[in-house]
Amino acid sequence: QAPLVQSGAEVKKPGASVTVSCKAPGDTFTNLYLHWVRQAPGQGLEWMGIINPSGGSTSYAQKFQGRVTMTRDTSTSTVYMELSSLRSEDTAVYYCAEGRNSFYYWGQGTLVTVSS
Amino acid sequence: EIVMTQSPFTLSVSPGERATLSCRASQSVSSNLAWYQQKPGQAPRLLISGASTRTPGIPARFSGSGSGTEFTLTISSLQSEDFAVYYCQQYDSWPRTFGQGTKVEIK
Repeated sequence: QAPLVQSGAEVKKPGASVTVSCKAPGDTFTNLYLHWVRQAPGQGLEWMGIINPSGGSTSYAQKFQGRVTMTRDTSTSTVYMELSSLRSEDTAVYYCAEGRNSFYYWGQGTLVTVSS
Repeated sequence: EIVMTQSPFTLSVSPGERATLSCRASQSVSSNLAWYQQKPGQAPRLLISGASTRTPGIPARFSGSGSGTEFTLTISSLQSEDFAVYYCQQYDSWPRTFGQGTKVEIK
């Protein structure tokens, strides 16, 4: 199974929104469980939520409820994570990761910097 | 939410020595626990799932044990490439949660 490929680094101002994409193998896309995990500089891993590309169902960590939206495009085998109302504390590397339970495949990570 | 607590925060070990890392869950997660290794600038790598099942390709010097609330990752003889940060993660319930990590450094 091919690796997950994420979009490039982003710099955003406080209050703005950012969208990060994650392209998965097309032949298995609808069988995947894709999660988003973030890591602030020098900090640990934080699970944000999951999207099931088959039906598009999602589940988000309570911390991000109301600010995060995960979507998918089955025609391009891509999932998206949009985070709104950005603040400096959202500066982090954002990873997509695949697995129903544990995460075997990871994207390369996308650095999102929030700065005025 | 299940809180995962790892200890110690930092572990200083000489090459060739054994390293023992601990992970405690705030409530039982059965055997639904994974361990990851992360090196600087890289994504995490899955080492163990089901508390004790090594991912294919992971060297036999890595072993996991435990169930319920207490888990251990043992590296039997540390190699230079094993110096990294290790995270535990529970997948017994939502939200998935990680420990804060243990950094294994060269003594």
